[in-house]
Amino acid sequence: GQQVMQIPQYQHVQEGEDFTTYCNSSTTLSNIQWYKQRPGGHPVFLIQLVKSGEVKKQKRLTFQFGEAKKNSSLHITATQTTDVGTYFCAGKKHSGYALNFGKGTSLLVTP
Amino acid sequence: EADIYQTPRYLVIGTGKKITLECSQTMGHDKMYWYQQDPGMELHLIHYSYGVNSTEKGDLSSESTVSRIRTEHFPLTLESARPSHTSQYLCASTRGGSGNTIYFGEGSWLTVV
Repeated sequence: GQQVMQIPQYQHVQEGEDFTTYCNSSTTLSNIQWYKQRPGGHPVFLIQLVKSGEVKKQKRLTFQFGEAKKNSSLHITATQTTDVGTYFCAGKKHSGYALNFGKGTSLLVTP
Repeated sequence: EADIYQTPRYLVIGTGKKITLECSQTMGHDKMYWYQQDPGMELHLIHYSYGVNSTEKGDLSSESTVSRIRTEHFPLTLESARPSHTSQYLCASTRGGSGNTIYFGEGSWLTVV
């Protein structure tokens, strides 16, 4: 079946440092979505990328979708303690029935 | 803010008991899902539904069952709970079509002792 791999599994940074998580699919995706889950909470939608090579920004967060639509990245500039949580990518094949979630990257930010 | 609700939020039950986790959404979404997630771990799709009277098993095998008699309601049942069922269960829904946002409920934390 479709595999969505996400790395790294964990990342510990000092406040103010940058952070990047990567998502790779074995097959071409029709779109990719990113979710954030705070500790003890539920996943919350961040953004969706649809077009090849698409780049979207939300304040300090930059999302990219690869040219081949098989990979994506989330980059956070100058992390803050409020960025703590697990970031999931979720990809959907053109003929897929549901989103396939990556294993997530857990981010810890220490002041 | 998403209008998808799960009850109970927290439950501790004994081995062998039957339990139903409730999930309701008021957004009129056709597609609904159940995910299982252990603390700090990945999301596993265990059931999904494309509409009334439509239910399918997800990628992760589960001893639970689901039903979809009404659009807004997607309960999950464990006939005989075991300690291995201890986990968080997340219900989710989406309107349908390509790439629609998935809205998650707040989750049901189940502990089987």
